[in-house]
Amino acid sequence: EAQVTQNPRYLITVTGKKLTVTCSQNMNHEYMSWYRQDPGLGLRQIYYSMNVEVTDKGDVPEGYKVSRKEKRNFPLILESPSPNQTSLYFCASRGTYYEQYFGPGTRLTVT
Amino acid sequence: DAKTTQPPSMDCAEGRAANLPCNHSTISGNEYVYWYRQIHSQGPQYIIHGLKNNETNEMASLIITEDRKSSTLILPHATLRDTAVYYCIVRVASGGSNYKLTFGKGTLLTVNP
Repeated sequence: EAQVTQNPRYLITVTGKKLTVTCSQNMNHEYMSWYRQDPGLGLRQIYYSMNVEVTDKGDVPEGYKVSRKEKRNFPLILESPSPNQTSLYFCASRGTYYEQYFGPGTRLTVT
Repeated sequence: DAKTTQPPSMDCAEGRAANLPCNHSTISGNEYVYWYRQIHSQGPQYIIHGLKNNETNEMASLIITEDRKSSTLILPHATLRDTAVYYCIVRVASGGSNYKLTFGKGTLLTVNP
């Protein structure tokens, strides 16, 4: 089944404790992206990647890092999480007709 | 991206067809119409897209008017699980640049038993 997977789905952590949210797609898509979604603010792009080893900042990149060492994986790294990074995170990949496929989401709480 | 206008909410009876309208009067010739939906707190889900011909897939049908200024997403037999916010987006499907997705307010479709 073609899909985007994310792990973990839920995470509660403390300020400053490094964490990684994994994202994987099995559709051989070149473009992948991370979004966060907050009430009243809609979807906001964090980082995107046009292909392996090619990443760039989106609209809200502060406090996040990404890497793209393989086509299928695009992990999101929070090196020192803070409470304002409490959010719902989505990974997405882009198909042939520029449609986007989203993962199920990761709900992160930073205390 | 062309601006789109959708009704804020709609109701539909379970088992009936749900017809969700979208106006995009400023659409350009090379812009596609895409539909997504988001069930509460789940990942947004791509539904269908089209340029000028009507399209159908296993989830829905997309009817685009001849002048392309509006379209209708049709869920032929709505179920309770189709209750979600539906987003209509118009944009080009080409180019090598970033392709961030921005949702407007969409239409909250409530399917009632």
